[in-house]
Amino acid sequence: QVQLQQWGAGLLKPSETLSLTCGVSGGSLTDYFWNWVRQPPGKGLEWIGEINHGGRATYNPSLESRVTISVDMSKDQISLNLRSVSAADTAMYYCARGRRFSRVDHWGPGTLVIVSS
Amino acid sequence: IQLTQSPSSLSASVGDRVTITCRASQVIYTYLAWYQQEPGKAPKLLIYGESILQTGVPSRFSGSGSGTDFTLTISSLQPEDFATYYCQQVHSYPYTFGQGTKLEI
Repeated sequence: QVQLQQWGAGLLKPSETLSLTCGVSGGSLTDYFWNWVRQPPGKGLEWIGEINHGGRATYNPSLESRVTISVDMSKDQISLNLRSVSAADTAMYYCARGRRFSRVDHWGPGTLVIVSS
Repeated sequence: IQLTQSPSSLSASVGDRVTITCRASQVIYTYLAWYQQEPGKAPKLLIYGESILQTGVPSRFSGSGSGTDFTLTISSLQPEDFATYYCQQVHSYPYTFGQGTKLEI
């Protein structure tokens, strides 16, 4: 059974870069798309982007200028970088496994990132 | 593509049949998924495609619809079903979610 673990800094100052990593165990990175989704406290879900094992990434246009998603096949890890954060980026960030144009079927536990001066 | 769920919140009792609606701003055929999120937990996939039930999801959950109008039905509410439900379109980028429906006792 695939398991997703997440880690990264949980407290940032405005203008810093958010960096999160998602480690995949119990399954292969191939044949899937790896998503990042975020959820501000008390609010709904926002899709950030996805990447496949070949490194092809697609981003939400609302974040595209600041976001990079990458994959490291040697470590079975997916990473999220979000530059120039502000308080509006405070959210729970989820890594999740999906199938393109189909569904997201396994979610990580989430990492709460707070942006505060 | 904008997704509008209704109602935003719903009060119901154990044993009730409930229906949640998701309307897309344009045709998405059957490229829709439904998720359940309990407080403090990650979302969980319930249904995708043309009402395909994810493995392990109880049969009291069902989905229907195509085009722009979709429904999630819970045939007989159980205590563990009180949560927030989201629809997601996966027809085109960027994938988008509905605003959520909070199901309360």
